[in-house]
Amino acid sequence: DAKTTQPTSMDCAEGRAANLPCNHSTISGNEYVYWYRQIHSQGPQYIIHGLKNNETNEMASLIITEDRKSSTLILPHATLRDTAVYYCIVRGLTHAGNMLTFGGGTRLMVKP
Amino acid sequence: EADIYQTPRYLVIGTGKKITLECSQTMGHDKMYWYQQDPGMELHLIHYSYGVNSTEKGDLSSESTVSRIRTEHFPLTLESARPSHTSQYLCASSESGRGLGEQYFGPGTRLTVT
Repeated sequence: DAKTTQPTSMDCAEGRAANLPCNHSTISGNEYVYWYRQIHSQGPQYIIHGLKNNETNEMASLIITEDRKSSTLILPHATLRDTAVYYCIVRGLTHAGNMLTFGGGTRLMVKP
Repeated sequence: EADIYQTPRYLVIGTGKKITLECSQTMGHDKMYWYQQDPGMELHLIHYSYGVNSTEKGDLSSESTVSRIRTEHFPLTLESARPSHTSQYLCASSESGRGLGEQYFGPGTRLTVT
């Protein structure tokens, strides 16, 4: 799986959009971009994933650049409960199934 | 809401004891996983299973063992606990097939070996 690079930490004001970047310059054509988050002391939670097109769900939007070498997770109106570590993971289809390799992630602090 | 459960949530145990961490899911998922995470550090995959009677070691070497006798149950055992085993253990499951379904995580077991 392609390696990802994320900033170690970010701050965001409550109610503002949180934009979390991820670089994955070695991504290959059949690899998807996944985002998970982990709130303190809990198990990780799936947020969203995409291949080429931008994706949106009830939690967030995922913007993938045209060359697919980077992406941005957008939380449109961050709340204090969005404070968590956000993991960007690149993974392709494998017979072994959903093997996820977690990196260090970005620690997002939403402040009042 | 994911239906994956782990017990106990917290465990403090002495060196040399045998322990089993329980993980169960009611979603009928074939694939299940165990991750280990030290405080503030990355998650590392230590075991996974494709289905009943299938178990494999993950990326991080671990002295623990797992079994998969029933689809819904994926317990992790430490035969002789040591202080170096102190960590959080997270169980997850996902749908079968080559699909890209998300992994559902349990709440974790925080283990302390004294």
